[in-house]
Amino acid sequence: EDKVVQSPLSLVVHEGDTVTLNCSYEVTNFRSLLWYKQEKKAPTFLFMLTSSGIEKKSGRLSSILDKKELFSILNITATQTGDSAIYLCAVVNDSWGKFQFGAGTQVVVTP
Amino acid sequence: DGGITQSPKYLFRKEGQNVTLSCEQNLNHDAMYWYRQDPGQGLRLIYYSQIVNDFQKGDIAEGYSVSREKKESFPLTVTSAQKNPTAFYLCASSPTGTGSYEQYFGPGTRLTVT
Repeated sequence: EDKVVQSPLSLVVHEGDTVTLNCSYEVTNFRSLLWYKQEKKAPTFLFMLTSSGIEKKSGRLSSILDKKELFSILNITATQTGDSAIYLCAVVNDSWGKFQFGAGTQVVVTP
Repeated sequence: DGGITQSPKYLFRKEGQNVTLSCEQNLNHDAMYWYRQDPGQGLRLIYYSQIVNDFQKGDIAEGYSVSREKKESFPLTVTSAQKNPTAFYLCASSPTGTGSYEQYFGPGTRLTVT
């Protein structure tokens, strides 16, 4: 059975801390892995990772994929209160784009 | 402005009633999806459609129905057969054949059934 597991499920950090979120997967036909940020409503796209070992970066956020060990990490450095959100990992395991989502990691950044 | 709209934002229904959630996109995307989100469970796929007049069941299709008569529209009906319909429902769309798997999400509809 295909599965996507995110850890931790939740965490609380202080502003300025660095956060590392983990997404591990077991799927039959891996195509790509995507990270989304969800604040109150619609998830917003962060990264899409298809190749192992190539870091994607956007400001204070970065992500990398390890296709041998079947996981990805999302790093947030110098956290701000605006980083408080649920971070969702989704794995594409079908040629046309069907997603399998993890349960998400709830991040709370306190001032 | 291109995007996905869902209506209504909040919906309240009595048990035993069918209810239809609207999803419209003007992104010219071929594929559309419906997800359900419950606390602590991430997003689960209900139905998806790759092309007009065609759709497939996702992982939790029981108690739901959809139609795809137009490319822009993919309404979801929550029927009285759905045992636990109270949830947050998200619609998404994506282009096909571009090499990018990114899905674009609407703002969601929060359904409460009592």
